[in-house]
Amino acid sequence: TQLLEQSPQFLSIQEGENLTVYCNSSSVFSSLQWYRQEPGEGPVLLVTVVTGGEVKKLKRLTFQFGDARKDSSLHITAAQPGDTGLYLCAGAHNNAGNMLTFGGGTRLMVKP
Amino acid sequence: DAGITQSPRHKVTETGTPVTLRCHQTENHRYMYWYRQDPGHGLRLIHYSYGVKDTDKGEVSDGYSVSRSKTEDFLLTLESATSSQTSVYFCAIRAGTGTYNEQFFGPGTRLTVL
Repeated sequence: TQLLEQSPQFLSIQEGENLTVYCNSSSVFSSLQWYRQEPGEGPVLLVTVVTGGEVKKLKRLTFQFGDARKDSSLHITAAQPGDTGLYLCAGAHNNAGNMLTFGGGTRLMVKP
Repeated sequence: DAGITQSPRHKVTETGTPVTLRCHQTENHRYMYWYRQDPGHGLRLIHYSYGVKDTDKGEVSDGYSVSRSKTEDFLLTLESATSSQTSVYFCAIRAGTGTYNEQFFGPGTRLTVL
């Protein structure tokens, strides 16, 4: 099993604070996806990073793929209550099933 | 919206009974996946399909079987449900090609086995 360690597991912050979520593995991935999930719904894809060192921005969210394509981070600037949810990273393998390995998730709560 | 629906959305059943969950897609994607999501374990792959009648096992396939008789439908069957199979089940399709291995998820089925 190729593990993807996500940290922290839980994060409770005040509106306006910044935060970073980390996703680490000893395996190299062909790409890495970040998802956000709200209660009672399926995960929703936020971004895909492919190239080592790649940085992508989505409004107040910044995603980075490590140079060696083994790790990634998600940084949220000036968090808002609407950012509350479960954030999942998933590493992609170029294997027969095009499978993803998911991290355990970071549950974020942003208090107004 | 990737055009994925799951049915039923909620089900309560008893230990030992068979259960079938259905995933339906409208966009003709080749790859489909079944995951379960449990606290502390994240999303784990049960089975996947790479075409009609082409399926393979994932990480946690014991106690589950799947079938895909047409492109749009992927069925997950619990032959004899156990309490350890109480979970939220998600279906996904793969979009994108090559390195862009992006999966899009259905709304989930919450299954309780008493």
